[in-house]
Formats: sequence, structure tokens, C-alpha cells
Amino acid sequence: GAVVSQHPSRVICKSGTSVKIECRSLDFQATTMFWYRQFPKQSLMLMATSNEGSKATYEQGVEKDKFLINHASLTLSTLTVTSAHPEDSSFYICSARDGGGSTEAFFGQGTRLTVV
Amino acid sequence: AQSVSQHNHHVILSEAASLELGCNYSYGGTVNLFWYVQYPGQHLQLLLKYFSGDPLVKGIKGFEAEFIKSKFSFNLRKPSVQWSDTAEYFCAAATDSWGKFQFGAGTQVVVTP
Repeated sequence: GAVVSQHPSRVICKSGTSVKIECRSLDFQATTMFWYRQFPKQSLMLMATSNEGSKATYEQGVEKDKFLINHASLTLSTLTVTSAHPEDSSFYICSARDGGGSTEAFFGQGTRLTVV
Repeated sequence: AQSVSQHNHHVILSEAASLELGCNYSYGGTVNLFWYVQYPGQHLQLLLKYFSGDPLVKGIKGFEAEFIKSKFSFNLRKPSVQWSDTAEYFCAAATDSWGKFQFGAGTQVVVTP
């Protein structure tokens, strides 16, 4: 199957700093990518839908100014957590849809963010 | 509100035992249903999916799931588990076929030798 690579897999940052997480589709073009976050023992919650060349669509309750999403190419979407706080500590996962018409979404391995 | 619920957070069983993981969804209208598995340190992988047709869906690695519309359920089954089935299993629903999922909380399955 197609591969989605997420980087970094783990990151620790200080409170108040910003962290960028990359999501790359390695062997297909992804017109649409999705960003999820998962708190311990809870569901993956959709944060936003990232469309190549246009603004991301955020789910209700997700602060778009805090979670900046950029999808500048067909193989890369980035999520930047700005002015991170300990409550932003979570597991962030991206997924990508093959623009070639596949009905399957492929997931990255996730990024564990810890804000201290 | 749309939701997906999984009945168990943790399941421990022995090799060769049968596995059934419950999943219920709350959606109005047409819904597509999925089971994903995440092995330790690996990506989420699709086990199987249901869009329409035969409600008994067969997936990879010997897994199957049954869509029961009257019960709003999509339970995952495997007749005989192996140690390598140790993983976290997620039920998910979507109103389109590709990508915008609502996930259940996940079930951690541990298979002991």
C-alpha cells in the first residue's frame, strides 16, 4: 500500500515555543490530507482537512491560529503548533488520500508531542 | 451527534482463542465503516471496510466484520488469534469513502502465548 511518512515521531518542546510536524506522501500525490490528535485513552479526533493549494478546513473547536496547516505541495502538509502549552501535549496523526481516486486513506505513524 | 463507540478498552486472551470486538455507531443516513489496526510502533493499517452490499466483510489477516444495520453495529471477529495480533484496534465511520473519519476510542488487544 501507499506510504505516508510523518516527522518527527517524537518531540519535546518548551512551553511557548512552536513545533512543526511534517506529513509526506512518499509514493502518491495527496490532494487531501487530514490531521488528527489523540489524547490518552481517547479517540482520534479530526482537527482539520488540508487541501493542496487552499486553506485548511478546521473542525469546530480547533483554533486555526494555534494549529497552522500548510499544504503547499501534493506530497507535503505541515502542522505547526504555535506557542505550545502543556495542554497541547498529545499524539498527532496525519492521513492522506490518494488523488488518483483510491477509496482508502493512508496514515502516518504519528507524532508524540510533549510540551514541558 | 455522530459517534462511534467501542465496547472494550483492553482485551487479553490466549493464542488460538476467538476474538470479537464490539463497535456501535450513531449516524443518520449512509455511513461507511472501517476497522483499522495499529501494531506497536507502526502506522494505522486498514483491516477491512464496509460501504454497501454483503454485510459480512472479510479483511486481511483472517479478520472479518459484520454490519448489522438494525443494531447499528460493526463488530470485528477473528476465529483464532495469534500472538502477532497484539495491537490496538480502531473502529471508524465516515460519511464519505475516503478520509474524514470519526474514530472509536480503540481497543488494546494483548494475545498471550
